[in-house]
Amino acid sequence: AQKVTQAQTEISVVEKEDVTLDCVYETRDTTYYLFWYKQPPSGELVFLIRRNSFDEQNEISGRYSWNFQKSTSSFNFTITASQVVDSAVYFCALSERDSGGYQKVTFGTGTKLQVIP
Amino acid sequence: ETGVTQTPRHLVMGMTNKKSLKCEQHLGHNAMYWYKQSAKKPLELMFVYNFKEQTENNSVPSRFSPECPNSSHLFLHLHTLQPEDSALYLCASRLNTPGLAFDTGELFFGEGSRLTVL
Repeated sequence: AQKVTQAQTEISVVEKEDVTLDCVYETRDTTYYLFWYKQPPSGELVFLIRRNSFDEQNEISGRYSWNFQKSTSSFNFTITASQVVDSAVYFCALSERDSGGYQKVTFGTGTKLQVIP
Repeated sequence: ETGVTQTPRHLVMGMTNKKSLKCEQHLGHNAMYWYKQSAKKPLELMFVYNFKEQTENNSVPSRFSPECPNSSHLFLHLHTLQPEDSALYLCASRLNTPGLAFDTGELFFGEGSRLTVL
């Protein structure tokens, strides 16, 4: 069974600080995808990044960066120089094929990030 | 219109009412999903439709009844709900390509329907 753990329930940082959101996953498959989504107060989950299990390269996109380490089954997300607009709930998710060949997505419980001005 | 649209955004209903939530996507996707988001709980997958066929029912009570008339529309019919069913119901869609070694489609979500059962 697949499982996604986001141990940090809530994090508060002061604007301009860096913050890292942790994600640890469990899966028996060798082929899978990992995602991060952002959920602002409006409710809609916004896709941030996708990483497949064969690509361990870290990625940087502006102030966002992701560290994927298969050895520790972790896919951590760092926001550099945080801003108030980054305040949201962030979800890590794992996607792998079910018996029917379709992708099944499991979400973590989310980390609520509050950036204080 | 683009993206995934959900209506209504807010719904208040009594336990004896019958109502429906609607989801529409204009992205050309072939898979649609209903998720339930309750306070302090993980996102719970409820139903999955691939190519209009229901491929997953995650042990959802029969008071929730999904309908997928075509690949662009998804409904969730509600009847005799309980107060604990109050939650944010999120619809999502994606492009599923079964059989390919890598299926890279991410989920696109609507803004959700906030349901309150009195």
